[in-house]
Amino acid sequence: DADVTQTPRNRITKTGKRIMLECSQTKGHDRMYWYRQDPGLGLRLIYYSFDVKDINKGEISDGYSVSRQAQAKFSLSLESAIPNQTALYFCATSRGGGLAGANVLTFGAGSRLTVL
Amino acid sequence: SQQGEEDPQALSIQEGENATMNCSYKTSINNLQWYRQNSGRGLVHLILIRSNEREKHSGRLRVTLDTSKKSSSLLITASRAADTASYFCATDAFGYGNKLVFGAGTILRVKS
Repeated sequence: DADVTQTPRNRITKTGKRIMLECSQTKGHDRMYWYRQDPGLGLRLIYYSFDVKDINKGEISDGYSVSRQAQAKFSLSLESAIPNQTALYFCATSRGGGLAGANVLTFGAGSRLTVL
Repeated sequence: SQQGEEDPQALSIQEGENATMNCSYKTSINNLQWYRQNSGRGLVHLILIRSNEREKHSGRLRVTLDTSKKSSSLLITASRAADTASYFCATDAFGYGNKLVFGAGTILRVKS
C-alpha cells in the first residue's frame, strides 16, 4: 500500500457541488499539506497542518476548507465547486522537527478534479 | 509569488547525454530540494541541499547551490529514457514557517 493515499483519484463534478478529497498516510508524519497543480504554475499550497490541532491557510485557500480528523487523515473540501478549481490536487506529508530533512515531502498520487 | 524559477522550461536530449536544469530563488533559504514528477503522478523527492553546502551527489544526480547568486542547478549524467519527467526545485525560505515553495518546473524529455 502507498504511504500516502488519496481518494478519489479522478472526479468530475458540476459547478456548485460540494466535493471532498481525502488523504490518509501511514508514514507517521505529523505534518500534512494540500497542494494544487495547474499547468505551467508548479504547485501552490492550499492548506497545511503541523499537528492535529493546527490548521493553517496557504497561499490560495479561498474557496477551500480542510479537516484534520486524526494524525493520519487530512481532507480537503470545496464547498461550492467552480470551474477554475479544475486542477490536480496533491496531499503530502513531512516529518517535521528541527533536523535537516524535516520538511522533505512525501506525496500522494494525486486527485484529478474537473468542474464542469 | 513563486520563490523558485526553473530554467529552461523544457529540455529535449538524446539518451546518454547530460541534462542540466537551473533554479533561481529570491530570498535566503534554509535548504533547497529537487523533486521529480512522472506524467500526472505524485512528486518524488530526489535530493536536498542545505544552505551551507555547495555541492551534493546522489547516484547520477549532482546538485550545486550558490547562495550568493541565489541559484541552484541539477545535473543528470548519462541520461536514460526513464529520466523523462518534470523536475521541480522547492525552497525552504527563512521566515516562511518551514514550508516549501515550488517553482514551475522543467520538462525533460530523453529520446532513445
